[in-house]
Amino acid sequence: DAGVTQSPTHLIKTRGQQVTLRCSPKSGHDTVSWYQQALGQGPQFIFQYYEEEERQRGNFPDRFSGHQFPNYSSELNVNALLLGDSALYLCASSLTKGRLGTIYFGEGSWLTVV
Amino acid sequence: GENVEQHPSTLSVQEGDSAVIKCTYSDSASNYFPWYKQELGKRPQLIIDIRSNVGEKKDQRIAVTLNKTAKHFSLHITETQPEDSAVYFCAASNPPTSYDKVIFGPGTSLSVIP
Repeated sequence: DAGVTQSPTHLIKTRGQQVTLRCSPKSGHDTVSWYQQALGQGPQFIFQYYEEEERQRGNFPDRFSGHQFPNYSSELNVNALLLGDSALYLCASSLTKGRLGTIYFGEGSWLTVV
Repeated sequence: GENVEQHPSTLSVQEGDSAVIKCTYSDSASNYFPWYKQELGKRPQLIIDIRSNVGEKKDQRIAVTLNKTAKHFSLHITETQPEDSAVYFCAASNPPTSYDKVIFGPGTSLSVIP
């Protein structure tokens, strides 16, 4: 049973650049959420995708966008990178139809903006 | 807005002693309360969860209690071991209404001294 997989695991970008992070949900899951975890803080909800649409969004600017594909995998895009975007980006998958609310995290993508 | 507070921010205990972490939540509609353990450089991993229709749940050395009236929930770890050292996050959500949008507390760094 495949867990949540994310790529890349680590990357370094320059201010102003754009980045795309990828996530494949746990087998059988249909919902993908993205979280940003800055050093020493708890994960902060960015947005959630279900049925290829953004269903909920946290308090993040429009520079953060995403996409979900028919196979439930997802991408997180961040434009015009700022130094403050440096963080661990976590993908979490869940099953909406199950209505249980349990989410499972991937290993995360460490983004450093220099 | 939705908020989860967590105390203490750091906790140091002797091996074999008990550790207690307490959380409060603001959204009275919350009905699902997971706890995550995050070791350094790794993803948060679900260790136990509780739903609003029960007041207590136990899994070996770990137990959670929930007081819905006071909007408090707590994590209890008994007979602590050095491998319990990690950052612990409490969280709250409201499935199915909030579709698995999980709000995390700021975390508690637990150190178990051998």
